[in-house]
Amino acid sequence: EAGVAQSPRYKIIEKRQSVAFWCNPISGHATLYWYQQILGQGPKLLIQFQNNGVVDDSQLPKDRFSAERLKGVDSTLKIQPAKLEDSAVYLCASSGLRGGSYNEQFFGPGTRLTVL
Amino acid sequence: GIQVEQSPPDLILQEGANSTLRCNFSDSVNNLQWFHQNPWGQLINLFYIPSGTKQNGRLSATTVATERYSLLYISSSQTTDSGVYFCAVKPWSLTGGGNKLTFGTGTQLKVEL
Repeated sequence: EAGVAQSPRYKIIEKRQSVAFWCNPISGHATLYWYQQILGQGPKLLIQFQNNGVVDDSQLPKDRFSAERLKGVDSTLKIQPAKLEDSAVYLCASSGLRGGSYNEQFFGPGTRLTVL
Repeated sequence: GIQVEQSPPDLILQEGANSTLRCNFSDSVNNLQWFHQNPWGQLINLFYIPSGTKQNGRLSATTVATERYSLLYISSSQTTDSGVYFCAVKPWSLTGGGNKLTFGTGTQLKVEL
């Protein structure tokens, strides 16, 4: 069974540019998450979707970050404009009834973003 | 919010040694997961264990929910066990359908030949 897919794997941009990340969750998983992991720290949740609705975006910097999950499957996370402090790994995760407990989260390989 | 503390922060083992990693949390939880983040950054699911004991090969985990801690045991360690081990929890008190995992700071493990 395929896991969570993310692209691109690496991205280097200059500050004030925009960037977008894509995630495809495990088939059948209704819940999708975006986490940010800064070097040396554990991941921190940015946003959680249930199907195509937002459940929690309390820690999403909404002045520059946006995310959507239009058809309840794939999701896109965008940063516009990027700042130096946005350099991090962006992890997508999903959970659902298939493949384990409904609450168990499975992570993709992440996108490593460097802002110069 | 909930606090998650992991110990030790760093650990160096000789191949074949056993180890115990600890995770303490400050509130009752209904989701607790252990992950291994390999040197390439991939988070690998080890256990979903909000309570009880589970075993998978050389790894086992125990969560004592009433005392708010979890232990991860690694036996006969191998060099491929190197990486960062994270404990992540979700408190019962999180409402509104949220399933946010709060991660600990991790244990950096290095297994040497």
